[in-house]
Amino acid sequence: AQSVTQPDIHITVSEGASLELRCNYSYGATPYLFWYVQSPGQGLQLLLKYFSGDTLVQGIKGFEAEFKRSQSSFNLRKPSVHWSDAAEYFCAVGAGEYGNKLVFGAGTILRVKS
Amino acid sequence: GAGVSQSPRYKVTKRGQDVALRCDPISGHVSLYWYRQALGQGPEFLTYFNYEAQQDKSGLPNDRFSAERPEGSISTLTIQRTEQRDSAMYRCASSLNPDYLASTDTQYFGPGTRLTVL
Repeated sequence: AQSVTQPDIHITVSEGASLELRCNYSYGATPYLFWYVQSPGQGLQLLLKYFSGDTLVQGIKGFEAEFKRSQSSFNLRKPSVHWSDAAEYFCAVGAGEYGNKLVFGAGTILRVKS
Repeated sequence: GAGVSQSPRYKVTKRGQDVALRCDPISGHVSLYWYRQALGQGPEFLTYFNYEAQQDKSGLPNDRFSAERPEGSISTLTIQRTEQRDSAMYRCASSLNPDYLASTDTQYFGPGTRLTVL
């Protein structure tokens, strides 16, 4: 069965510093991969997704992620973090026949210090 | 435009009571999904619909849980004889296309219903 591991429960970075959130997945074929962000009291918002093609994916809010098949990873990056990026981030893989049943990792809580 | 809405936002109930959670998807969206999120965890798939047809209910924990979408729009997730272990955030999502076009689709999530069973 598909699974997603986010090794870091909490990460703290300084405002303006770069960010990388790790995600490893378990899936046999080419996966559908997603990053979502959850702010307090809000629903999950899609940051970016990968289905095929270019392994470097650009998303909203200046985020990007790189699919590395050899490492089964899909890490999220941002070159310069803003205080408003403080939130919880979830990596997900699409499961099932159509890849539409999302399997989420446990999430990484990002804190931004000024 | 309006996003996915869910009601109530918070529900506190006593063990043994039935609860009904409502999801109103984005207008025109064909697929509707239910997920459950325990504290400190990511969302976990429960069930989904194409139009009014329930396509997959493999994630429903047991037969106390059921869902319907009778007119292909609003959906209700019902939990009968609630137990304390049912306490969680219940999230609904919708997407524009049916499941076989999932590769081009995005699931839009609602704010969730926080269920607490005492």
